[in-house]
Amino acid sequence: DAGVTQSPTHLIKTRGQQVTLRCSPKSGHDTVSWYQQALGQGPQFIFQYYEEEERQRGNFPDRFSGHQFPNYSSELNVNALLLGDSALYLCASSGTATGTSGIYEQYFGPGTRLTVT
Amino acid sequence: AQKITQTQPGMFVQEKEAVTLDCTYDTSDQSYGLFWYKQPSSGEMIFLIYQGSYDEQNATEGRYSLNFQKARKSANLVISASQLGDSAMYFCAMREGPNDYKLSFGAGTTVTVRA
Repeated sequence: DAGVTQSPTHLIKTRGQQVTLRCSPKSGHDTVSWYQQALGQGPQFIFQYYEEEERQRGNFPDRFSGHQFPNYSSELNVNALLLGDSALYLCASSGTATGTSGIYEQYFGPGTRLTVT
Repeated sequence: AQKITQTQPGMFVQEKEAVTLDCTYDTSDQSYGLFWYKQPSSGEMIFLIYQGSYDEQNATEGRYSLNFQKARKSANLVISASQLGDSAMYFCAMREGPNDYKLSFGAGTTVTVRA
């Protein structure tokens, strides 16, 4: 049973460029959340997709956008990259009743390390 | 306002000893969930343990237990019989209410287990 997968693993971009990160959820999961984790900090919620719609959004500018496909996979797009966008981007998936105790458990992928120069 | 506060940036523990990681939270919701995740240097967040706000018993999962003190709004993680593989960053997180789908994370605590 494959867990959450993310691609690419690492990425280097220049200020002003655009980037697309990809995520495939764990088998059986229909919900995908994206988090940004700056070095030495806890993850910050960007947004969550469910049924191909953005269900909830954190305090991130419109430069951050996403998409969910019918197979539940998701993309995170960041436009006009800033140096401050350098971070580990984590994707997490969940279902309506997941986890060992049926609680709302989010399974995380290995992340994409984005460096903006 | 910070939703989750972890006041210990780093801790050292001797192998086979127990360690307690502090976590306090702030919410006005009656229904919420508290999570602990482990993040090794590889970067992947690994779910460890969950405590629901209405759970009367403290959660336990193997060597992990959660000391839940609702009135004090604290949810400390206890790792018993520490192993070298426990060296990692540990994050406390909270989900507030049934209509809030995000996890709010603390700043984390780095644990280093010494042989």
